[in-house]
Amino acid sequence: DAGVTQSPTHLIKTRGQQVTLRCSPKSGHDTVSWYQQALGQGPQFIFQYYEEEERQRGNFPDRFSGHQFPNYSSELNVNALLLGDSALYLCASSLEAASYEQYFGPGTRLTVT
Amino acid sequence: KNQVEQSPQSLIILEGKNCTLQCNYTVSPFSNLRWYKQDTGRGPVSLTIMTFSENTKSNGRYTATLDADTKQSSLHITASQLSDSASYICVVQANYGQNFVFGPGTRLSVLP
Repeated sequence: DAGVTQSPTHLIKTRGQQVTLRCSPKSGHDTVSWYQQALGQGPQFIFQYYEEEERQRGNFPDRFSGHQFPNYSSELNVNALLLGDSALYLCASSLEAASYEQYFGPGTRLTVT
Repeated sequence: KNQVEQSPQSLIILEGKNCTLQCNYTVSPFSNLRWYKQDTGRGPVSLTIMTFSENTKSNGRYTATLDADTKQSSLHITASQLSDSASYICVVQANYGQNFVFGPGTRLSVLP
């Protein structure tokens, strides 16, 4: 039973570029949430996807967008990268009917230079 | 505003010693509170989860307490091991199905 997987593990981009991060939820889960975690800080909620739609959104600009596919996997896209976007991006999956049981992936470390 | 605060910000203890981490929250209405352990550069792993009616929950050497009246929680680690070195994050969920409010974490270092 595969847990939450994320790709890539690490990524280096230049300011102004665009990036796409990917997440496959734990088997049987239908809800995916994305978080940004700056060094030394707790994770900050970006948005949550359920039934291929963005259901909730945190305080992040429109440069951050996402998508959920019919197989429940998800992508996080960030446009016009800023130095401040450098962080660990975490994906968490859960069952909509049991949202308190949230499992995290290992994260993608994004560095913007 | 829904907030979760944790103290201390960082802690250094010797292997074998006990320690207690604190969490205060203003999240309302409260649904549940959980403690996560996060190794550096890795995703958080759940240690315990408590609902309103629970005031203590154990997971091996980890024991969490919850006082819903004062909106405080603690995580007690017994007989610490080097592998306990990590960040410990307190997370509160407001309303069933709502997103989670994360604390900033306590960075624990266990030294031999």
